[in-house]
Amino acid sequence: DTGVSQNPRHKITKRGQNVTFRCDPISEHNRLYWYRQTLGQGPEFLTYFQNEAQLEKSRLLSDRFSAERPKGSFSTLEIQRTEQGDSAMYLCASSQAGGGFTEKLFFGSGTQLSVL
Amino acid sequence: GESVGLHLPTLSVQEGDNSIINCAYSNSASDYFIWYKQESGKGPQFIIDIRSNMDKRQGQRVTVLLNKTVKHLSLQIAATQPGDSAVYFCAEKSGGSNYKLTFGKGTLLTVNP
Repeated sequence: DTGVSQNPRHKITKRGQNVTFRCDPISEHNRLYWYRQTLGQGPEFLTYFQNEAQLEKSRLLSDRFSAERPKGSFSTLEIQRTEQGDSAMYLCASSQAGGGFTEKLFFGSGTQLSVL
Repeated sequence: GESVGLHLPTLSVQEGDNSIINCAYSNSASDYFIWYKQESGKGPQFIIDIRSNMDKRQGQRVTVLLNKTVKHLSLQIAATQPGDSAVYFCAEKSGGSNYKLTFGKGTLLTVNP
């Protein structure tokens, strides 16, 4: 399977703990995105990388959130001092630059975070 | 702020019937629209897209219609099958952004055998 891979699929943590999620994009894709989805809602944009450069961060991404893509391949999303409001599905997507504004995003299956 | 939204949160159809899922958008600068299907426990899966200079596009069993006058988008699924049961989202890009999608709330489609 050469799709977008996310790990872990599920994470349960206690409030105040730090968590880290990993995303492996489709290998030839140089763009990588993080979205957050809460129950019954559509995904919301969090941040975007082109190669290793983080080019945009949503205002939804508080100071407790940090995303990295150190070698332009896989990416990590860390949440520090988790709060119950952080409970959501965290989706990663990737695309190949050059498709113009019709560039298609391919999503992974997400990491479901539950903060107790 | 401007957003993409859906008229109906749920839709139930009989197997073999045609389904129509609607979406309203408010951003007149939107220039590209996409329909995604999301099954339980999975990420959104691309179904079909349409550019703002078109009013209709057809795929396999699916058709997307765009009415820019009333800012309305619809997804038609022909001969709906149980495997079509999922949440359907419309999403849009605007203002020349080639990476940021804005999603609506979603419609849950249930296909009854």
